[in-house]
Amino acid sequence: AQTVTQSQPEMSVQEAETVTLSCTYDTSESDYYLFWYKQPPSRQMILVIRQEAYKQQNATENRFSVNFQKAAKSFSLKISDSQLGDAAMYFCAYRRRPLNTGNQFYFGTGTSLTVIP
Amino acid sequence: DGGITQSPKYLFRKEGQNVTLSCEQNLNHDAMYWYRQDPGQGLRLIYYSQIVNDFQKGDIAEGYSVSREKKESFPLTVTSAQKNPTAFYLCASSTPGLAGSTGELFFGEGSRLTVL
Repeated sequence: AQTVTQSQPEMSVQEAETVTLSCTYDTSESDYYLFWYKQPPSRQMILVIRQEAYKQQNATENRFSVNFQKAAKSFSLKISDSQLGDAAMYFCAYRRRPLNTGNQFYFGTGTSLTVIP
Repeated sequence: DGGITQSPKYLFRKEGQNVTLSCEQNLNHDAMYWYRQDPGQGLRLIYYSQIVNDFQKGDIAEGYSVSREKKESFPLTVTSAQKNPTAFYLCASSTPGLAGSTGELFFGEGSRLTVL
């Protein structure tokens, strides 16, 4: 079974600085998807960024970017110019390739990000 | 606007009572999921359904039941057999992830269940 590991339970960053959240995963598949979700205090899960495994180019969404290292099975999230609104729990998620039977989504245990004014 | 609606947002239950959490989506997604989240914890899969009239147990299905009679609806019943039901419950849906789509999960706003 696939596993997703977030080794940093808590992180903090100074406002306007850059922070990187780590995620590693274990899989024998070559085709899959990776996601970062944000869960602010409101508890609503919000998709931050997505990456397709067959794409070598790292995904970017405004201040959010990823460093996808397929061989190392690593998928870190970089937040640039951190803002107070970035404070949240961040979850890394793995999705198996389409048409697989069974559960397709696997989540890490989350990283709680604090932004210091 | 398309999305997922969970209700109620807050629910209190006495021990021994069954309660049902509602989840409705108008995204035309085939797959739907229920997750449980305990304070400071990640998401644990309770049940999922990839198509109408079919559903599968997740990692922590004991004490829960679901139905999928309509594509739009995936209600979760927390039965009295669930020993520790106080938690935050999240419903989600997704596309198959074909035709250029990554098939990410779309989440509802969640339901907080407290057992008195």
